[in-house]
Amino acid sequence: DSGVTQTPKHLITATGQRVTLRCSPRSGDLSVYWYQQSLDQGLQFLIQYYNGEERAKGNILERFSAQQFPDLHSELNLSSLELGDSALYFCASSAGLAGVGITGELFFGEGSRLTVL
Amino acid sequence: GQQLNQSPQSMFIQEGEDVSMNCTSSSIFNTWLWYKQDPGEGPVLLIALYKAGELTSNGRLTAQFGITRKDSFLNISASIPSDVGIYFCAGRPPSDFNYQLIWGAGTKLIIKP
Repeated sequence: DSGVTQTPKHLITATGQRVTLRCSPRSGDLSVYWYQQSLDQGLQFLIQYYNGEERAKGNILERFSAQQFPDLHSELNLSSLELGDSALYFCASSAGLAGVGITGELFFGEGSRLTVL
Repeated sequence: GQQLNQSPQSMFIQEGEDVSMNCTSSSIFNTWLWYKQDPGEGPVLLIALYKAGELTSNGRLTAQFGITRKDSFLNISASIPSDVGIYFCAGRPPSDFNYQLIWGAGTKLIIKP
């Protein structure tokens, strides 16, 4: 158990719909990352938040957005869903930004499997 | 942008065999991480490396941070059925302060029946 909690574990929806994925980081971790993994593909970085602020953006579509709340949990919102958005969405957390004693290891949740029909 | 070349892409091995996979880059890294992903699960951190030349073991797994800081390898000795899965390497460039890891494409390990 990594300590990172993601809900829901599975989600089936239709094209054009909107869904929200939720992530609770490990206790004490300030950084949250979202990754997308399509079938038999690698991990595609979407976005990172640190202590409530957006820190980095990867290949995140404009239809997708995220936020990190004061209690450090994060939500990834996916809208106008298309068939190609079907994938596993992972949240990961780390202790924070670079600095003495911060090792930079990412800890992943079990993922949310999104199926768009 | 920076890329990691991870090889091999997949491996078919017999139970009991030793396994070796590696990642290489044209740029240097400060950190190398090795993860394993079981089907339908999230990646799990296996080994973390922080110094050039560092050799670290975790049970039957051994990983090394290349002396040039541009590569890393992971060895698995005496493979068993539960070793099946996808192994990812990830590296952190020295200029990055957001822990933006660069990921390899993964090595899929399959054990022949």
